[in-house]
Amino acid sequence: GDSVTQMEGPVTLSEEAFLTINCTYTATGYPSLFWYVQYPGEGLQLLLKATKADDKGSNKGFEATYRKETTSFHLEKGSVQVSDSAVYFCALSDPHGYSTLTFGKGTMLLVSP
Amino acid sequence: NAGVTQTPKFRILKIGQSMTLQCTQDMNHNYMYWYRQDPGMGLKLIYYSVGAGITDKGEVPNGYNVSRSTTEDFPLRLELAAPSQTSVYFCASSYDLNLYTGGDADTQYFGPGTRLTVL
Repeated sequence: GDSVTQMEGPVTLSEEAFLTINCTYTATGYPSLFWYVQYPGEGLQLLLKATKADDKGSNKGFEATYRKETTSFHLEKGSVQVSDSAVYFCALSDPHGYSTLTFGKGTMLLVSP
Repeated sequence: NAGVTQTPKFRILKIGQSMTLQCTQDMNHNYMYWYRQDPGMGLKLIYYSVGAGITDKGEVPNGYNVSRSTTEDFPLRLELAAPSQTSVYFCASSYDLNLYTGGDADTQYFGPGTRLTVL
């Protein structure tokens, strides 16, 4: 079955540092790929997504590129802020499966001033 | 739009008790989902629905039941609560890909969650 693997956390960074959170996936067919973010005490919000190979999703300074050859969708941000502290989930959606999502385990990001 | 709303926000149950977690969306989405989130384990799909009267099992359906009598509501029923059902439960909704092709067609919108403890 489909699966998503993302790096273990927590990831601890100082403000303005560069962020990378790795995500790789296993899927049949050509899934859409997503990054969702969960702030403390809240539900998940879509951060960005990509629907086909070589697409780049971007939002709020975050970027991720759909790499079919390496089955990866790594999340990057050039300069993190304290307000970026949250849990980040990589996920894939089966295009033939009613948009059901398969999630990675999540990576907690802690940014200190 | 309120989006996806869930009630209650918190609940403590005793082993063997039953309860219903409520979920309502006002975005006219046909697809709705229930997930549970366990610490360090990501989210697992419990049940989903592609329209009123149509439901199907996800990855972890045991111990749960659902119904979908309207487009707006998708309640999750726990019968005979067990400690293993202690978790945070999230409801989500999205458009029907066969009817909507906008940029957010496959985006799921999540509720704020219900934290359930079974003692």
